Amino acid sequence: NAGVTQTPKFQVLKTGQSMTLQCAQDMNHEYMSWYRQDPGMGLRLIHYSVGAGITDQGEVPNGYNVSRSTTEDFPLRLLSAAPSQTSVYFCASSYLGQLYEQYFGPGTRLTVT
Amino acid sequence: AQSVSQHNHHVILSEAASLELGCNYSYGGTVNLFWYVQYPGQHLQLLLKYFSGDPLVKGIKGFEAEFIKSKFSFNLRKPSVQWSDTAEYFCAVNAYNTDKLIFGTGTRLQVFP
Repeated sequence: NAGVTQTPKFQVLKTGQSMTLQCAQDMNHEYMSWYRQDPGMGLRLIHYSVGAGITDQGEVPNGYNVSRSTTEDFPLRLLSAAPSQTSVYFCASSYLGQLYEQYFGPGTRLTVT
Repeated sequence: AQSVSQHNHHVILSEAASLELGCNYSYGGTVNLFWYVQYPGQHLQLLLKYFSGDPLVKGIKGFEAEFIKSKFSFNLRKPSVQWSDTAEYFCAVNAYNTDKLIFGTGTRLQVFP
């Protein structure tokens, strides 16, 4: 199993550009989530999904969109990047009811200039 | 809404010192509580978890945590830290019957030999 994979590892965007962070898992997990990690702020939940076709907002959803067309994939879209979105983004997955056992991806370090 | 507070942002200890990291949550209902560790350059790992029962839970690497319901706290302890415990520690809460895992802001622990 590859676990949770994320691409790209690093990305630099200009303000106003859009992009999609990719996340995939091969463990047949129903639950997938996106977090951003900022110094002094911990991990903050952006969006999550409990299954294909179902998504919901987390703590900091503004400026981000998600979709879940398959069990495996959970892309995160930045519609119009802002410097405040400079962060490290982690995707995670788990079985439903086992959120604490989330497997985290390696992260994407995004810089918006 | 659930929230988690970790008041110790940065803790510096010598090897063999005892450790206690504070975690308080705000949520009136039943919660599941967790501590995670993130070693430099690595993913988050689950240290320990509490669902119900004995409020003193033991995790990996000699860590333990005590749930005190009246204080809405779930402090992490270790009697004698090692240099290899240098990491960032995150407390997290999952309100019962919800699909969100909310993290605290984290505590950076540095252990000097």
